[in-house]
Amino acid sequence: GENVEQHPSTLSVQEGDSAVIKCTYSDSASNYFPWYKQELGKRPQLIIDIRSNVGEKKDQRIAVTLNKTAKHFSLHITETQPEDSAVYFCAASSEGGGADGLTFGKGTHLIIQP
Amino acid sequence: NAGVTQTPKFRVLKTGQSMTLLCAQDMNHEYMYWYRQDPGMGLRLIHYSVGEGTTAKGEVPDGYNVSRLKKQNFLLGLESAAPSQTSVYFCASSYPNPQQYFGPGTRLTVT
Repeated sequence: GENVEQHPSTLSVQEGDSAVIKCTYSDSASNYFPWYKQELGKRPQLIIDIRSNVGEKKDQRIAVTLNKTAKHFSLHITETQPEDSAVYFCAASSEGGGADGLTFGKGTHLIIQP
Repeated sequence: NAGVTQTPKFRVLKTGQSMTLLCAQDMNHEYMYWYRQDPGMGLRLIHYSVGEGTTAKGEVPDGYNVSRLKKQNFLLGLESAAPSQTSVYFCASSYPNPQQYFGPGTRLTVT
């Protein structure tokens, strides 16, 4: 089955700096890669996703890059703000429609220092 | 439009007791999922369903059963609860868009 590794487990950055979270996956058939943000006690919320036919996707301060050859993808957050503090999860699915569910990384606790 | 809802929000069980968690969605999604979330482990897939009347095992199915009798509902059952099943349980739904929408979660404690 699929295995997703996520690093780092904790990331502390100064407000206004950039943050990068990296994930690798094992199944070359995986073709859908979402990123979720989870605040304490809340449900995971999708913040951005990318499919394997695209190398990069951007939405305001958030971007995701995908390297299919190396089987890794990364989340980039620029101009970090206090409200970006949360746990971020990457995930992968080998079905375009997500039929067999998502395999998640173990999460990165992002701390924005004022 | 309530999205994905879960019942109950909290529950405490004693070892050996049984219970059923209910997930409901009003988005006409075909696919539904049950995950559990433990500290430091991320979310792990328990069971999933690709349509009414169908279910399949995920990564950690042991000790759980599921049923999808109606398209909008997905039930997760624990027949004989164990302390190792103490966790936060999330339901999600999707399709035709691959984006999964999560419910608010159920916090289960087994003593």
